[in-house]
Amino acid sequence: EVQLVQSGAEVKKPGESLKISCQSSGYSFASYWIGWVRQMPGKGLEWMGNVYPGDSDTRYNPSFQGQVTISADRSITTAYLQWSSLKASDTAMYYCARHTTHFDLWGQGTLVTVSS
Amino acid sequence: QSVLTQPPSASGTPGQRVTISCSGSSSNIGSHTVNWYQQLPGTAPNLLIYGDNQRPSGVPDRFSGSKSGTSASLAISGLQSEDEADYFCAAWDDRLNGPLFGGGTKLTVL
Repeated sequence: EVQLVQSGAEVKKPGESLKISCQSSGYSFASYWIGWVRQMPGKGLEWMGNVYPGDSDTRYNPSFQGQVTISADRSITTAYLQWSSLKASDTAMYYCARHTTHFDLWGQGTLVTVSS
Repeated sequence: QSVLTQPPSASGTPGQRVTISCSGSSSNIGSHTVNWYQQLPGTAPNLLIYGDNQRPSGVPDRFSGSKSGTSASLAISGLQSEDEADYFCAAWDDRLNGPLFGGGTKLTVL
């Protein structure tokens, strides 16, 4: 089955680090961009950045550049989104999605809650 | 422009036809194709329309997309209660150098 499966919900404190994952199956992982999309509570969708697992080329939305790191490991067909120092404002649902000219395959989402 | 402009809400009764607009600029909708996503309550978004007016396999033909200049529209005919969801438009943006989403429209079926 063609799918993206994300890691489970996380509860963290401000200042902590975090890495969430998105594992693909059923298609050639290296051949498609994977994007990360943020949805803050009750809000819309925001593109954070993309990674191309074939060569690890990475593109960022300027609003998120320097705030997060996007990466991929071809050997285990998994993409990652990580923070080195979380803020309360990072509380949101995060989705990974396969990207061509559109996002045609989505993960189920990972809820990240940052609270002291 | 940080987002494409959509009305925050729309509504209709079962069987009606509703349209949702999406307004952009020459750097996004005016130069690139438009995609639409449906997000049912408590679930991940799902591709509804791509390439301005193409439906992925499994999407009913009640859903249709169109584009003119720097604006696009999603039309839903024969409205059903299961269509109650948030709808987002999106297009590649040359200034962002990435995909730009609309703010979303919450569709209520009365």
